[in-house]
Order: sequence, then structure tokens, then C-alpha cells
Amino acid sequence: EDKVVQSPLSLVVHEGDTVTLNCSYEVTNFRSLLWYKQEKKAPTFLFMLTSSGIEKKSGRLSSILDKKELFSILNITATQTGDSAVYLCAVEPAGNNRKLIWGLGTSLAVNP
Amino acid sequence: DVKVTQSSRYLVKRTGEKVFLECVQDMDHENMFWYRQDPGLGLRLIYFSYDVKMKEKGDIPEGYSVSREKKERFSLILESASTNQTSMYLCASSSLFLRDNEQFFGPGTRLTVL
Repeated sequence: EDKVVQSPLSLVVHEGDTVTLNCSYEVTNFRSLLWYKQEKKAPTFLFMLTSSGIEKKSGRLSSILDKKELFSILNITATQTGDSAVYLCAVEPAGNNRKLIWGLGTSLAVNP
Repeated sequence: DVKVTQSSRYLVKRTGEKVFLECVQDMDHENMFWYRQDPGLGLRLIYFSYDVKMKEKGDIPEGYSVSREKKERFSLILESASTNQTSMYLCASSSLFLRDNEQFFGPGTRLTVL
């Protein structure tokens, strides 16, 4: 059965810290992996990763995929209170009518 | 600016009522999805549709039905609402054919069934 596991489930850090969120997966015929940020509203898209070893970067956020070891990490450097959110990881298997398999998310709290 | 809208942000209904949740997207997307989100359970797919009048059950379709008569609109129907259907309902859409398959989400409807 296809599955996506995120760790840790929750994390509390201080402003300025660097955090690493993990997403491991088991899917048949991997196509892509996506990261979303969810504050007290709908998820918003962060990154899509399809190739191993190629870092995607947006400001203080970056992500990389390892297709051999079947995981991805999301890094946030110099965290701010506005980074407090649930970070969701999803994987798209090929031939699945573009449906996504979702992880449960990592809840990040950044304290001032 | 791409947009997915949902008919209500908050809804309170009574047990046994028929409930309609509507979702409209303006991106000409083929795929549309209905999820519910509950604490500790993550996003769970109820139904999705990849074309007009086409639908496919997701992971938790029991107690729900859907309708897609037009490409831009996807409705979720609770035939007889029950208290265990109290939840946040999220609609999303995506392209079936584009290489980038990000799903765009609506703002969500928080449904309370009393």
C-alpha cells in the first residue's frame, strides 16, 4: 500500500533556529513529491520535486529529494514566527489519475 | 490570479439534513477533489473527478456523493448529515495534463453537524 510518513509530528523551536522536516514514502511508480504549508486555512503550495539531488529553493526554505532512499527534506533557515504552520508532504504515483498520497504533516511552532 | 472558491466558510446543520457544499475553480482544470481534514488524521480524499460527469471514490466515500455537471463546478453532497461528518472540508483542483500537478485549494468549509 502506498504511504507517506512525515517526521517529526510536531516541533517547537525559537526564532532564528534552523529546522529540517522529513518525508519518507513508499509508492509504486513515483512521479513527484510536493510540499505544502498550511496555516489556519487551506494548504498553499511550496515545492514540487521530481529529480534526485536537485535542490529547490525559495527564500529561507529549501527542499531536496532522494529517490534512492525514498525521502525528501524541507529545510527552513533563520525561522520566524510566521513560519509557524503545518507542513504537508504529498507524493504522486504515476498512473494514478494525478491523485496525491498525503502525509499527516509536521506541526511547526516558532516561538519568539 | 488562480482561484478555487467554496460556497461557505462556516456551516451549521442538523442531523439528518441534506447538505450541499459547492466548489468552483477558474483555472479550466480537469481534476477536482473533495477532502476532509480532521486533527490527527490528515487530509483524506472523499471523491475526485477527472472530467465532467466522471467521478471516482476516494478513501472515505461512505455517506457522501458528488456531482460534476460543469467543468468548473464540483459539488459534495451529504445525503443525511451525521455528527461524525463534522469536519473541515477542502476542495482542490489540478491539471490532468500539465507536467506540474500542484493542487490548488479552496479556503475550506468548516461544517458542524448538531
